[in-house]
Amino acid sequence: AQKVTQAQTEISVVEKEDVTLDCVYETRDTTYYLFWYKQPPSGELVFLIRRNSFDEQNEISGRYSWNFQKSTSSFNFTITASQVVDSAVYFCALSEAGYQKVTFGTGTKLQVIP
Amino acid sequence: GAVVSQHPSWVICKSGTSVKIECRSLDFQATTMFWYRQFPKQSLMLMATSNEGSKATYEQGVEKDKFLINHASLTLSTLTVTSAHPEDSSFYICSARDLTVISYNEQFFGPGTRLTVL
Repeated sequence: AQKVTQAQTEISVVEKEDVTLDCVYETRDTTYYLFWYKQPPSGELVFLIRRNSFDEQNEISGRYSWNFQKSTSSFNFTITASQVVDSAVYFCALSEAGYQKVTFGTGTKLQVIP
Repeated sequence: GAVVSQHPSWVICKSGTSVKIECRSLDFQATTMFWYRQFPKQSLMLMATSNEGSKATYEQGVEKDKFLINHASLTLSTLTVTSAHPEDSSFYICSARDLTVISYNEQFFGPGTRLTVL
């Protein structure tokens, strides 16, 4: 069975601070996919990134960066120089290859204080 | 591309009535659509997987007679909440899988429908 754990329920940071959102996953498959989504107060899920299990390269996109480490089954997400617009709930998710079900973590609510 | 819409975006109904929610893939064909439910301050929980032309597969604990799913075409799936009760109040989100994107298991999510049952 697949499982995603986001231990941080809520995080508050002051604007311009860096913040890292943790994600730990469990799966028995060797091929799987990891995702991060942002859910602002409006409710609509915003896709941020996907990563397959064979690609351990870290990725940077603007102020966002992701650290994928298979050795620790972690896929952490860092926002650099946070902004108020980053305030949202962030979900980490896992999908096993050949199996369409996506399992979401419990989410981390990020509040960026001006 | 890969846009998924939902209608309505919100609905308020009286207890005992039925509510239908539509999920459409606007610019791609989706053999598979998924229905999720999200209670306030909680995560998304998969309710069922809907395959075009066949019966939906429900997750454990989801009442199939209460949550009727129909996937009659490659671009439309509907979720009907029958005899809705206040405990069914939730945010319902659908997602669709693009046939042409065979890698990454990516699903495209709709904007969600907020259901409030009085």
